[in-house]
Amino acid sequence: NAGVTQTPKFRVLKTGQSMTLLCAQDMNHEYMYWYRQDPGMGLRLIHYSVGEGTTAKGEVPDGYNVSRLKKQNFLLGLESAAPSQTSVYFCASSRTGGNQPQHFGDGTRLSIL
Amino acid sequence: GNSVTQMEGPVTLSEEAFLTINCTYTATGYPSLFWYVQYPGEGLQLLLKATKADDKGSNKGFEATYRKETTSFHLEKGSVQVSDSAVYFCALDNNDMRFGAGTRLTVKP
Repeated sequence: NAGVTQTPKFRVLKTGQSMTLLCAQDMNHEYMYWYRQDPGMGLRLIHYSVGEGTTAKGEVPDGYNVSRLKKQNFLLGLESAAPSQTSVYFCASSRTGGNQPQHFGDGTRLSIL
Repeated sequence: GNSVTQMEGPVTLSEEAFLTINCTYTATGYPSLFWYVQYPGEGLQLLLKATKADDKGSNKGFEATYRKETTSFHLEKGSVQVSDSAVYFCALDNNDMRFGAGTRLTVKP
């Protein structure tokens, strides 16, 4: 019963490097989300998707790109990492929007030096 | 816009004490309200939810009532346990999911 799986769990990057975080869900959910969690700020939505082939900007999208080529996968890309992107990143999915609860992965801790 | 404000922590209680974590929100219309819990090293898990005014969400001894007149959704538990130690997040969904900053609860034996 995997639910939402994020890879990798930890990563250290140098400023300017690029990387992709992978999120996979096995619940056939339509909606998927990427958040960042910073101390004292709760979770902030980066990008989200309401279905395969769709993406939309959230509250803090700058410096990130996403793709949803397959319904079960939602990729988050950092083209040129900056120290301000040091954070814990969480992926989530939900059956639909509205009052449907979100199911979260265990997070990816990313440090940018 | 939509926003959530919850009481700052950390909160430290003794086992079997009464817990209240305050949460107020700002939103137009009728958002759905949630409490999520995060245990160390894990993602958030849904604790309870309420989708309309006067609804009471409950789970594992926790309760919260959707109060539209006071725009609040306070979390309560009558008798906390050590295993309740975690970070609690209030959230609203109004076609735009917003989370509070989180409240860290530590329960001591």
